[in-house]
Amino acid sequence: DIQMTQSPSSLSVSVGDRVTITCRASQGISSYLAWFQQKPGKAPKSLIYAASTLQSGVPSKFSGSGSGTDFTLTIDSLQPEDFATYYCQQYYSYPITFGQGTRLEIK
Amino acid sequence: EVQLLESGGGLVQPGGSLRLSCEDSGFTFDSYAMSWVRQAPGKGLEWVSTISDSGSGTYYADSVKGRFTISRDNSKNTIYLQISSLRVEDTAVYYCVDHRYCHGGRCSTGFWGQGTLLTVAS
Repeated sequence: DIQMTQSPSSLSVSVGDRVTITCRASQGISSYLAWFQQKPGKAPKSLIYAASTLQSGVPSKFSGSGSGTDFTLTIDSLQPEDFATYYCQQYYSYPITFGQGTRLEIK
Repeated sequence: EVQLLESGGGLVQPGGSLRLSCEDSGFTFDSYAMSWVRQAPGKGLEWVSTISDSGSGTYYADSVKGRFTISRDNSKNTIYLQISSLRVEDTAVYYCVDHRYCHGGRCSTGFWGQGTLLTVAS
């Protein structure tokens, strides 16, 4: 199974900050990497697929990069609605696996 | 807008069985693979099972293999998850998702349902 490791597990940031979350795969997954946002008590929302392609309706403040084993999600100019938990996921092979999540908290 | 609506969750005793359903309000349901993803209380996301667009291919997490069965009825725009031999550790919110964003022969998740809570307890 491919292990997905996110860092950090949590991050305390201020409104207006730029934040970068890292996701590392235990083996190469090309660009078969997705990012999701989940707010408390809500279903996850898809943000990015193919490592860097924004899903329809996702604001351009979100961006993704990487290929192979190392990936990043960057969020520019954090707003209160962006404070949530973010997950990466590989869909290169079964079993599909998620990172453990990165929780963004307001400083 | 596409809506995925799960149903069938509830309180079940260990060893019991249950069937979850997920209906897709969209018009292209039979074009997408579909999956179930679960989230135990306070925990992260865990992929459970995927079914291909035609239903001919199915995949399972090791933790549910032999106990869970995924199926779909494209005439009803619905997927199902038949769950048996339930364990306390199966307690989770179960989400259905579609795989509508395809590239290089693989497809990523698009829409998520709102989830249905399954609680396994005596």
